[in-house]
Amino acid sequence: EAQVTQNPRYLITVTGKKLTVTCSQNMNHEYMSWYRQDPGLGLRQIYYSMNVEVTDKGDVPEGYKVSRKEKRNFPLILESPSPNQTSLYFCASRGQTAPNEKLFFGSGTQLSVL
Amino acid sequence: AQRVTQPEKLLSVFKGAPVELKCNYSYSGSPELFWYVQYSRQRLQLLLRHISRESIKGFTADLNKGETSFHLKKPFAQEEDSAMYYCALRGDSNYQLIWGAGTKLIIKP
Repeated sequence: EAQVTQNPRYLITVTGKKLTVTCSQNMNHEYMSWYRQDPGLGLRQIYYSMNVEVTDKGDVPEGYKVSRKEKRNFPLILESPSPNQTSLYFCASRGQTAPNEKLFFGSGTQLSVL
Repeated sequence: AQRVTQPEKLLSVFKGAPVELKCNYSYSGSPELFWYVQYSRQRLQLLLRHISRESIKGFTADLNKGETSFHLKKPFAQEEDSAMYYCALRGDSNYQLIWGAGTKLIIKP
């Protein structure tokens, strides 16, 4: 089944403890992206990647890192999480053959930073 | 500036009533607009896109360039339409979407 898989679904951590949220897609998509979803603010893009070893900042990149060493994986790294990074995170992917091709989303990761 | 505005955070209507979820955009070029939906405990998924001029699950959305709007409409709401709806705009970059804040739609029985 074609899908985007995120892990974990839920994560509670403490301030300053490094964490990684994984994202993997099996559709051979070039484009991958991370979003955070906060009430009243909708979806805000954190980072995106247009292909292997090509990443770029979105609207709210501060406090996050990403890597794209392989086409299928696009992990989100929080080196030193802070409480303002408590949010619902979504990974998404899309092929680049047409600009209006739809985004495929993961099921989300609810992160709480205490 | 490119912006998408969904003025209603919450919209509640009775089953069988018409539904209109508002979306206004700010963009100087020729926009591409989308509606995404997130049902309870499901992933965000594309509902429809203006370029396809399609009707999905009874929903339609017409791009009105004069009013810079892309409102989502359905003549008769069903309980299964209850969900979070996001309007999105593809602007200058082919790969980036600009998202509205979302509208939570509740259909009352």
